[in-house]
Amino acid sequence: LAKTTQPISMDSYEGQEVNITCSHNNIATNDYITWYQQFPSQGPRFIIQGYKTKVTNEVASLFIPADRKSSTLSLPRVSLSDTAVYYCLVFTGNQFYFGTGTSLTVIP
Amino acid sequence: ETGVTQSPTHLIKTRGQQVTLRCSSQSGHNTVSWYQQALGQGPQFIFQYYREEENGRGNFPPRFSGLQFPNYSSELNVNALELDDSALYLCASSSMGAPDTQYFGPGTRLTVL
Repeated sequence: LAKTTQPISMDSYEGQEVNITCSHNNIATNDYITWYQQFPSQGPRFIIQGYKTKVTNEVASLFIPADRKSSTLSLPRVSLSDTAVYYCLVFTGNQFYFGTGTSLTVIP
Repeated sequence: ETGVTQSPTHLIKTRGQQVTLRCSSQSGHNTVSWYQQALGQGPQFIFQYYREEENGRGNFPPRFSGLQFPNYSSELNVNALELDDSALYLCASSSMGAPDTQYFGPGTRLTVL
């Protein structure tokens, strides 16, 4: 049974880089890790996905160390509109496991 | 390209009743997953459907059941509703080749009284 844990909350000033870590045990070598952003009363929105080393897209980077026991979502320069809850999602053993969620508050 | 849609938006039921929630997948997607998200918590995986067959299930009792239709749309049925079933029910669609690249609908808010 995969268990994914995240810090409950984080605060950051506008323009700073934010790193959110997800701890996940018992995932296999090729299991994907995906990150989502969720605003209140909305469905999660896809941010980024990967299964090893580093992945970058136009909005974020995802770092996965060799032991794959954690992953880190990096948001390069946050703005007020990035205030939301961020979840990691792991697919393993034919099931999906969302992390506990990190509530990010961006301060002006 | 049409995104994932869900209906209804909100629903109120009483304990013991049955409910059916509906989801239309994003165009080009053949896989649908359902999640339950209680207030203040992360989504919990209920099950996934691929080619009209259940393809993975989370820790939910049999009174949670589903269907997928030939056009890849899907239904979630919950029988004998309990108060704890009150939650936001999320549907996500994907292409089977990349199972984690799921795109979510806006959800259905179910309240059980």
